[in-house]
Amino acid sequence: DAGVIQSPRHEVTEMGQEVTLRCKPISGHDYLFWYRQTMMRGLELLIYFNNNVPIDDSGMPEDRFSAKMPNASFSTLKIQPSEPRDSAVYFCASSPSGLAGGRAVKEQYFGPGTRLTVT
Amino acid sequence: LAKTTQPISMDSYEGQEVNITCSHNNIATNDYITWYQQFPSQGPRFIIQGYKTKVTNEVASLFIPADRKSSTLSLPRVSLSDTAVYYCLASASSGNTPLVFGKGTRLSVIA
Repeated sequence: DAGVIQSPRHEVTEMGQEVTLRCKPISGHDYLFWYRQTMMRGLELLIYFNNNVPIDDSGMPEDRFSAKMPNASFSTLKIQPSEPRDSAVYFCASSPSGLAGGRAVKEQYFGPGTRLTVT
Repeated sequence: LAKTTQPISMDSYEGQEVNITCSHNNIATNDYITWYQQFPSQGPRFIIQGYKTKVTNEVASLFIPADRKSSTLSLPRVSLSDTAVYYCLASASSGNTPLVFGKGTRLSVIA
């Protein structure tokens, strides 16, 4: 498996523009997470899905942020309009359901991240 | 989710064993202790997870005392490529629930 795939890897945009980040989870994983990392705030959860349904979006900073998961193999995180304080690395992660395989150890698999710079 | 405390940074020479201790005084009965590793410009990567006593895999060992209020990640004979940030997490699981990352421990391995 290619692992979690994110695109683009780097995005530079001007304030006010719409930004769309994309994620393809590992096939068979039914949990998908979006995290954001900055020097000041570290890694923080934005939203997560189970079987394509958003479970908890309390970490989404404000209404400018939205996330969708139209099918099991694709998710987007959109920022509209973008602001300089949105500059960060955005990670997507996926994991299998705890009900599958019966493994006691469960881990999340992170993508390489998208480095977003808003000028 | 139990709060964890770990050193901000550590230095080590190549070939040495490195032990990173994490404090989690308020760990819940059903919490596991999980460690992730993050290299620059990469996402975090799962290293090891345990509940009590000792767990060992090809990368590291995890020691958890009986009271489970702390844990120690042990990296045997580190190399320069082990330079990374190491995060300790205490949660019900690391798969199906969101991970709450602290600041982590920045390990620098010196030649």
